[in-house]
Amino acid sequence: EAGVTQFPSHSVIEKGQTVTLRCDPISGHDNLYWYRRVMGKEIKFLLHFVKESKQDESGMPNNRFLAERTGGTYSTLKVQPAELEDSGVYFCASSGGAFSYNEQFFGPGTRLTVL
Amino acid sequence: AQRVTQPEKLLSVFKGAPVELKCNYSYSGSPELFWYVQYSRQRLQLLLRHISRESIKGFTADLNKGETSFHLKKPFAQEEDSAMYYCALSGRSNYQLIWGAGTKLIIKP
Repeated sequence: EAGVTQFPSHSVIEKGQTVTLRCDPISGHDNLYWYRRVMGKEIKFLLHFVKESKQDESGMPNNRFLAERTGGTYSTLKVQPAELEDSGVYFCASSGGAFSYNEQFFGPGTRLTVL
Repeated sequence: AQRVTQPEKLLSVFKGAPVELKCNYSYSGSPELFWYVQYSRQRLQLLLRHISRESIKGFTADLNKGETSFHLKKPFAQEEDSAMYYCALSGRSNYQLIWGAGTKLIIKP
């Protein structure tokens, strides 16, 4: 079974540009999460989808970040315009079931560098 | 405030020695506690969770509600245990994971 996939694996952009990250969860997983790790800091939650609905977006840093999950399958995270502090590794995870203790399966991450 | 604290950024022990990675948490309510591990060039993966009361790869973790701790232990470390270990928690009705800063474990031959 294919795991969670993320694209691209690396992205280098200039400040002010737009970047879109994509995540394909494990087939059948209703829950999809975005996290990010900024250099030297803890992994931080960004948001949680249940199917196509945003269940919790309390971790989104500001309105430059827009996440979508059309049709309840893959998700995109767009950063527009990108700032230097957006650099980091963006992780996507998915889980099945309806309990908070269900395992979250992680993708390999997208390393974003904003110059 | 909801917080997970891993006091050690780096822990280095010899092969065969016992290992204990510390994790303390602050949470209003009854959280779910997890340990995730990231081996070199691999993705984050669940190691164990307190609700399962399981032992994975020889690791165990006991939830101590009085001390609000969830330390990870292994009696005899192996070289393949070298990795980055993260303690995390979630609420019963809130699925987001709150993470510690991680501890890099190095097992010396």
